[in-house]
Amino acid sequence: AQKITQTQPGMFVQEKEAVTLDCTYDTSDQSYGLFWYKQPSSGEMIFLIYQGSYDEQNATEGRYSLNFQKARKSANLVISASQLGDSAMYFCAMRESGGFKTIFGAGTRLFVKA
Amino acid sequence: EAQVTQNPRYLITVTGKKLTVTCSQNMNHEYMSWYRQDPGLGLRQIYYSMNVEVTDKGDVPEGYKVSRKEKRNFPLILESPSPNQTSLYFCASSFYGQDSNQPQHFGDGTRLSIL
Repeated sequence: AQKITQTQPGMFVQEKEAVTLDCTYDTSDQSYGLFWYKQPSSGEMIFLIYQGSYDEQNATEGRYSLNFQKARKSANLVISASQLGDSAMYFCAMRESGGFKTIFGAGTRLFVKA
Repeated sequence: EAQVTQNPRYLITVTGKKLTVTCSQNMNHEYMSWYRQDPGLGLRQIYYSMNVEVTDKGDVPEGYKVSRKEKRNFPLILESPSPNQTSLYFCASSFYGQDSNQPQHFGDGTRLSIL
């Protein structure tokens, strides 16, 4: 069965430093998509970054990058130069081939310290 | 403005009283989905729809019904709510892509309390 594991329930990072949020996944599909979403304390879900299983380059979107290691089935989110506004819950998600089902990890709550 | 609109945002009700949470999107998306969010469990998919009149179960469909009669609307129905359905609910939509590369757009959530 497909599964997403986020092993860090909570993390602290100093403002302006980089932080890595871990995500491992389990699937037997060859084609799948990996996503990261941010949920601030206000509750909305914000799409951050996408990585396709066949993409050879790691995805980047501004200060966000995805460290994709297919053989290890990991898709870690790297946030560079953390800002106070990055304090939020972060979810890793996988969309199966065909695009129907999506599964989410339990999330990592990030706290950015001034 | 492109958006997914859920109503109500908050609801407190009692066990057994049928309720409907509406969801509407204005982006002409084929795909729509419902999730529930519980502490420590992340988001879990309840039902999804690939297009009008096409729906299927997610991982936690028990106690829920959906319908997709129009492309823009995807209501979630709890015919006999129970306290274990107290949760934060999200509706989401996206274009449908076979290669799974479409990010989902989420509504603002509905916080449901069933006493």
